Amino acid sequence: DTAVSQTPKYLVTQMGNDKSIKCEQNLGHDTMYWYKQDSKKFLKIMFSYNNKELIINETVPNRFSPKSPDKAHLNLHINSLELGDSAVYFCASSLRRGRGQPQHFGDGTRLSIL
Amino acid sequence: AQSVAQPEDQVNVAEGNPLTVKCTYSVSGNPYLFWYVQYPNRGLQFLLKYITGDNLVKGSYGFEAEFNKSQTSFHLKKPSALVSDSALYFCAVRPNQGGKLIFGQGTELSVKP
Repeated sequence: DTAVSQTPKYLVTQMGNDKSIKCEQNLGHDTMYWYKQDSKKFLKIMFSYNNKELIINETVPNRFSPKSPDKAHLNLHINSLELGDSAVYFCASSLRRGRGQPQHFGDGTRLSIL
Repeated sequence: AQSVAQPEDQVNVAEGNPLTVKCTYSVSGNPYLFWYVQYPNRGLQFLLKYITGDNLVKGSYGFEAEFNKSQTSFHLKKPSALVSDSALYFCAVRPNQGGKLIFGQGTELSVKP
């Protein structure tokens, strides 16, 4: 059973298009995250939701809009895709209780902008 | 600014030899420290964490890490490396005041037979 699942795994699209990435976790966690990993493998947090409430919102272009319909799902919608958006996007989840809870990651969505 | 540094982009080790992947941090207070591993085309997997107590923590797959407060380091170690340990390793820190997890830039570990 996949704990954190993302769809699609690969996404190839044209500049200017709008696309969405979906994430679901079956771990019973209350906090979910979106990370961006660039071509140099640097990992940076974008957003975090706790029980459907936005708690971390890093300096991310407002073309990126997260949405959490319930605490098991966190989707990412991207408008007007740009070449610089090409990256691997990871969803993760954890329990918010305490600072020591590890995060569980999905296998990523590889976004390529043509 | 709060940060995590992994000074080596790549570490090469022969199978059977001990390995060390270095991590230093610059965070105020008493941070929580983590190590994650990323295999090709996969997400990050949690290896181990330090919260408090014994400075030597043990984790998955035979890995351990040593917390050194005076040197603000949290180096990952394994007594005997396996070829299957070859992967990208990330050190991460969660500051005392909570909030986001801050990742180092990653270290590529290559274990040769």
